[in-house]
Amino acid sequence: EVQLVESGGGLVKPGGSLRLSCAASGFTFSSYSMNWVRQAPGKGLEWVSSISSSSSYIYYADSVKGRFTISRDNAKNSLYLQMNSLRAEDTAVYYCARDGYSSIPPSLDYWGQGTLVTVSS
Amino acid sequence: QSVLTQPPSVSGAPGQRVTISCTGSSSNIGAGYDVHWYQQLPGTAPKLLIYGNSNRPSGVPDRFSGSKSGTSASLAITGLQAEDEADYYCQSYDSSLDVVFGGGTKLTVL
Repeated sequence: EVQLVESGGGLVKPGGSLRLSCAASGFTFSSYSMNWVRQAPGKGLEWVSSISSSSSYIYYADSVKGRFTISRDNAKNSLYLQMNSLRAEDTAVYYCARDGYSSIPPSLDYWGQGTLVTVSS
Repeated sequence: QSVLTQPPSVSGAPGQRVTISCTGSSSNIGAGYDVHWYQQLPGTAPKLLIYGNSNRPSGVPDRFSGSKSGTSASLAITGLQAEDEADYYCQSYDSSLDVVFGGGTKLTVL
């Protein structure tokens, strides 16, 4: 069974940093591109970042470019999102999601349960 | 304001057919990029409903179908059921913005 489990969310002050993790199981992690998608409270979905299976290709939304860094460790079946210079508008539930069909745009066939990041003083 | 425009809400009675539109432009849907659709039940993570404009992942009922034409795409749900009440999102790629989602449509089953 495919499982994605996010962790690392919490309350952080504006300007602070946080590192999210996503533990994958039930599939060959190293064969799939992965993504982070966020959802602000009561709002819609916003794509944040994508990373290819071997980390060769990395993409970011303009809203996080220069502040967030996506990475992965295929040996540990884990995906990460390092978030720096956090702002109030980064407050959201962050989901990790698998690109199941290697399409453009990525078709996200499995999602984690999400981890809440709250940026507030 | 998303580059993919969806109606904020739609509704229908059980058994009826409803459609949800997703209107883009020549830089996204009209450029030939695929459209995917997601269903998000209250308090849960999104679920892939349609990929590649009209394909259903395994396990998705054939009551759900997708289509694309020009700069727009549509999701149709036939034989509406109470458990279909959810938020629905379209997704595509924009040549200027990368991956984009529509603003979402709340489906109410009357």
